[in-house]
Amino acid sequence: NAGVTQTPKFQVLKTGQSMTLQCAQDMNHEYMSWYRQDPGMGLRLIHYSVGAGITDQGEVPNGYNVSRSTTEDFPLRLLSAAPSQTSVYFCASTRAGNYGYTFGSGTRLTVV
Amino acid sequence: DQQVKQNSPSLSVQEGRISILNCDYTNSMFDYFLWYKKYPAEGPTFLISISSIKDKNEDGRFTVFLNKSAKHLSLHIVPSQPGDSAVYFCAASDPQGAQKLVFGQGTRLTINP
Repeated sequence: NAGVTQTPKFQVLKTGQSMTLQCAQDMNHEYMSWYRQDPGMGLRLIHYSVGAGITDQGEVPNGYNVSRSTTEDFPLRLLSAAPSQTSVYFCASTRAGNYGYTFGSGTRLTVV
Repeated sequence: DQQVKQNSPSLSVQEGRISILNCDYTNSMFDYFLWYKKYPAEGPTFLISISSIKDKNEDGRFTVFLNKSAKHLSLHIVPSQPGDSAVYFCAASDPQGAQKLVFGQGTRLTINP
């Protein structure tokens, strides 16, 4: 049972490049979320999904897109990377009614 | 505006003593609170939670206390062990928020032998 798997673990992008951060879970969880962690800011919600085909914005959605075509996968797309998007990104999932999210190990992204 | 605040960036405690981590919140609609623990280069892991209808929840060495009138919760770890050294995040959920969590900034706990 792999839990929540995030790829890649590390990535360096040039300003203006695009990329997709992958997130997959094998626990049949309905709810999935993307967070970014920055020093002194805690974890901030970027986008979330309550089921396949349903997504919504969190606290800091600008510059990011998501889609949820299957229960298992919830990719996060950076359309045109900016240095302000340098951060550690975490994907998380849980069942409906359970607030104890399971987190992936994170993707450390640097935009130069 | 920060709805969930952890005002102590760091805390150092001697092994075997009690560790107390604090968290304050501003949104009175929050109805569920959680603590997560995070080691370097890993994702946060769920530690313990409490519903707003309770004022205490205990799980082994970990106890969470909730004071709704003060909008304050705390995590007590007793006795503290070296493996407890980590960053601790408190989080809160709004009942109308589709299980979205709002996190505090985190407190780095160091347990000294």
